[in-house]
Amino acid sequence: KNQVEQSPQSLIILEGKNCTLQCNYTVSPFSNLRWYKQDTGRGPVSLTIMTFSENTKSNGRYTATLDADTKQSSLHITASQLSDSASYICVVDPSSSASKIIFGSGTRLSIRP
Amino acid sequence: EPEVTQTPSHQVTQMGQEVILRCVPISNHLYFYWYRQILGQKVEFLVSFYNNEISEKSEIFDDQFSVERPDGSNFTLKIRSTKLEDSAMYFCASTSDAGVPGETQYFGPGTRLLVL
Repeated sequence: KNQVEQSPQSLIILEGKNCTLQCNYTVSPFSNLRWYKQDTGRGPVSLTIMTFSENTKSNGRYTATLDADTKQSSLHITASQLSDSASYICVVDPSSSASKIIFGSGTRLSIRP
Repeated sequence: EPEVTQTPSHQVTQMGQEVILRCVPISNHLYFYWYRQILGQKVEFLVSFYNNEISEKSEIFDDQFSVERPDGSNFTLKIRSTKLEDSAMYFCASTSDAGVPGETQYFGPGTRLLVL
């Protein structure tokens, strides 16, 4: 069964610290993997998109990595800010078919001053 | 920066009533989507729409649901005879080209629907 699992479920860090969020997937075939940031009560906002041939993608303080062999991805946030407090969702698209896209449950990140 | 907009932001309705959720996708986008997110759960795909017809739909999208693009700008989701379990956040999304791997999907802010 195609699944996307994220860890940790929640994370609290101090402002200015770095953190890494994990995503493991069992989706096959695989077209692309996306990381989204979702503020409470808002829609997801795209952070990075990686196709199977890419193994890293950066967007400012966000860096995503992808290991297609082990089917793992990570999202690294450097120098965290209070505004980084949100849920971070890993989404795997197996075939560019909207109905097949699988959302992870997200990691809820809280940044404390 | 262009954005997807949704109205209303919140909707409270009585069980059995019909609701229409509205979305204005980004103007040059061609592919439109509805998703829902029940409180505390994952985002779930409902339906995709292209060239004035449904491209794909999930098992959730049964006869209770319908979508249309009545005037070339608005994209609506109609839920007939709402049930308690329809209470969720409904997100509209759009993209310029669904066939390109990695094409960014832009989400609206959502409509929070509460069925009493």
